This record gives sequence, structure tokens and C-alpha cells, in this order.
Amino acid sequence: NAGVTQTPKFQVLKTGQSMTLQCAQDMNHEYMSWYRQDPGMGLRLIHYSVGAGITDQGEVPNGYNVSRSTTEDFPLRLLSAAPSQTSVYFCASGSTRGQGVDGYTFGSGTRLTVV
Amino acid sequence: GIQVEQSPPDLILQEGANSTLRCNFSDSVNNLQWFHQNPWGQLINLFYIPSGTKQNGRLSATTVATERYSLLYISSSQTTDSGVYFCAVHDFGNEKLTFGTGTRLTIIP
Repeated sequence: NAGVTQTPKFQVLKTGQSMTLQCAQDMNHEYMSWYRQDPGMGLRLIHYSVGAGITDQGEVPNGYNVSRSTTEDFPLRLLSAAPSQTSVYFCASGSTRGQGVDGYTFGSGTRLTVV
Repeated sequence: GIQVEQSPPDLILQEGANSTLRCNFSDSVNNLQWFHQNPWGQLINLFYIPSGTKQNGRLSATTVATERYSLLYISSSQTTDSGVYFCAVHDFGNEKLTFGTGTRLTIIP
């Protein structure tokens, strides 16, 4: 049981380049999300999905796209990287049962630097 | 949205000491979690504890939902316990995990 797998762990991009951060979970969780963590700002929600085919914006969605074609995968795309997107990115998943998201599991993170 | 506050913000202890971290939240919740972010940045899920008490080795947690607080106990601290401890709740109003302010724990050998 691998949990939540994120790749890559580290990435350096030039301004204007695009890339996809991969996230996969093997726990059959319905809920998946992407956060970014910046010093002094805490973790902020970028996008989330409550099931395959359903995505929605979080607090800081600009510059990012997501899709959810399967329950297992939730990739995050940076369309045209900017230095302001330098951050640590975390993918998280959780089950949804009635009112409760039954615990989140986080991936190990991707440290992205945009130069 | 839900407000989540933690205390103390910083804690420095000798190896072997015990500690209690507190989490207060502003609204009734049924999905409180505790996480440990280690010095390498990984976010480790410690407890999912909407109410009651759970124990896992040297760590235990108690949530009193009716009084809107949760406590994390760490006994016989080890240097590997260092890092930042967060409590968090899922806010269904905006579908995000709202994190507390964190407690930075430093264990000195």
C-alpha cells in the first residue's frame, strides 16, 4: 500500500515553461487536492476534486489546471511557470463519508523552483 | 470559515521530557486531524480524531468536540519528534483543510 505518490520530488523550471506534477493514490479515495506551502503563508488550497470527472478551484487556482479522469490520478499542470509559483506542492487524498472526510493522507511533496 | 489556533507556538525540550500541545477551533467539527511536518518537510498523518482518545506508541490525542479543543500528548520525547505539529479540520464551507498555526517542537539531546 503506497498511499499517495507524488513525482517529481524536485524540479527547476525556467519562466514560461510548462510542466505537470503527478499525484496518484491507491486507497480508492474520492477526495483529492493540491496545496502549496510557502513560508509565512501556511498551506493554501489550489484545486480539489470530490470524484472522477469533478474538479473545482481552491484559494489560489490561477496559473494551474487539473483534471481527474480516474479515481487514482490527479495531475497538476503549470501552464506557463512564473517565479511566484516557486513553492513546495503537496497532493492529499481522503475518503468522503457523509459529513466527514475520513482523514487526509499527504504525498511527500514536490519542491519547485522557477527561475 | 473555521478558525484553528494552536499553543504554544514554540516548545524546546530535553530528550525524555513529556509535552502537551493544544488545538482550539471556532466551530463544531467532526474531522479533526493531527499532523507532524518533519525537518525534511514531509507531512505525516498522526491521528484522525473527531472525538475521544487515541494512542499510538508514545503519542496520544484527545478531542473534546463539544468544548472545541484537542490535545496531543508526546511522552518520552526523542530528537526525531522535532518538527512542526499541525492540527487541521476539513471546512466543508470552502472544501479545504484548514490548518492551525502550528507548534514548532525542538528536542535537544
